[in-house]
Parts: sequence; structure tokens; C-alpha cells
Amino acid sequence: DVKVTQSSRYLVKRTGEKVFLECVQDMDHENMFWYRQDPGLGLRLIYFSYDVKMKEKGDIPEGYSVSREKKERFSLILESASTNQTSMYLCASSLEDFQETQYFGPGTRLLVL
Amino acid sequence: GQNIDQPTEMTATEGAIVQINCTYQTSGFNGLFWYQQHAGEAPTFLSYNVLDGLEEKGRFSSFLSRSKGYSYLLLKELQMKDSASYLCAVGNAGNMLTFGGGTRLMVKP
Repeated sequence: DVKVTQSSRYLVKRTGEKVFLECVQDMDHENMFWYRQDPGLGLRLIYFSYDVKMKEKGDIPEGYSVSREKKERFSLILESASTNQTSMYLCASSLEDFQETQYFGPGTRLLVL
Repeated sequence: GQNIDQPTEMTATEGAIVQINCTYQTSGFNGLFWYQQHAGEAPTFLSYNVLDGLEEKGRFSSFLSRSKGYSYLLLKELQMKDSASYLCAVGNAGNMLTFGGGTRLMVKP
């Protein structure tokens, strides 16, 4: 079974803090994705990566950065957390071909105070 | 740009059939996915359509009409465990998916 894990299920941070969200997949997938999920807005893509050290902006990259130093690990960084970044963050991975299913991690619920 | 519409909420009765519609307007089309997401859990894959027509998988079926920008997910013999959100997602160029807002389905006894 594909397993995508995220470092925390719940996280509380203060405005201005630097926040790291980690995602690890164990199926040697080429593609990895970071989404945020908000009520009424659905899942929105922040960034994705199709290879080590490669990254592409999604629909809402502002205020975020990412890092992919190893194939299995994709990190989302909030350089200076703000209250409007309070959200559920979901990581996903998939094989190289577009038609391949994306497998999601359990999510990290981030609260920025 | 991308625009994907699906109803926000639906209610159905155990044992019945329910159809969840999804309409889309996208620049580029590389297939349409349906995911299921139970409250507090990760989305899980249900179906993928890239050609017009109906794909059947047990109690769940998914239909696509590319010319109409339209898809539906059909759930038969509803069970209480089918209460969940159902997410429609359209693929565009570059391995990216755009998701609709999701349809929250409540199955009542």
C-alpha cells in the first residue's frame, strides 16, 4: 500500500513564525503536491514537484515556499505565518504519468494565532 | 482559467441511488477524477474518466461528456458509510489537478 505521512496532524503557531510542514512517501513516486483545503473553496494547489530539486507553482503559491532535496520528502515552508494561512494542509504523491492517482496524506491542521 | 462547479450538499436515503453532478470549464483537459473524503480523513481515489461514457466500478459509476464539460458520479444502493464529501477534479497540462469545492453527501436511514 502507498503510504504518505505528514509530520504533524495538528499545529498551533504564532503570527510571524517560520513553519515547516513535512511530507514523506514510501512508494518512489516522482510527483509530490501540497494543497490547502478550506471550507467552500475545496482543495487548492500551492506547489508541486515532479523531481528532486524541481518545483512548480500551483494556484496559490504566495506566502509559501517548498523544498525537495530527496525524492521521498517534500517540505512546505511558511516563511512568516499569517492568520490567513490557518487551514488544513494536504500532501499528495503520484507516479510520473498524469493519469496516475494522487495518494494523499492525512493532513495537517494548522492554526495561526 | 479553471472553473469547476458541484453542489455543496446533498441528502439521500439508505438503499437509494444518488447522482452528484460536476460541470467544468478549463483550459486544457487531461481527464476527470472523483475522490471521496470522509470527515477528518484524506481524500481517496474513486474514479478517472478521460473518454466520454460511463465507467462502472461496483456500486459507483462515473460518467463524462467532454463536449458538454460535464461529469457525474452515481452511487447505488447507498450505505450509511457513503456519507462523505465527494470531490470532482479536472486535470490540465503539467500534471496539475484543479478541484471543485466538493459535495457533502449525507445518507439518512
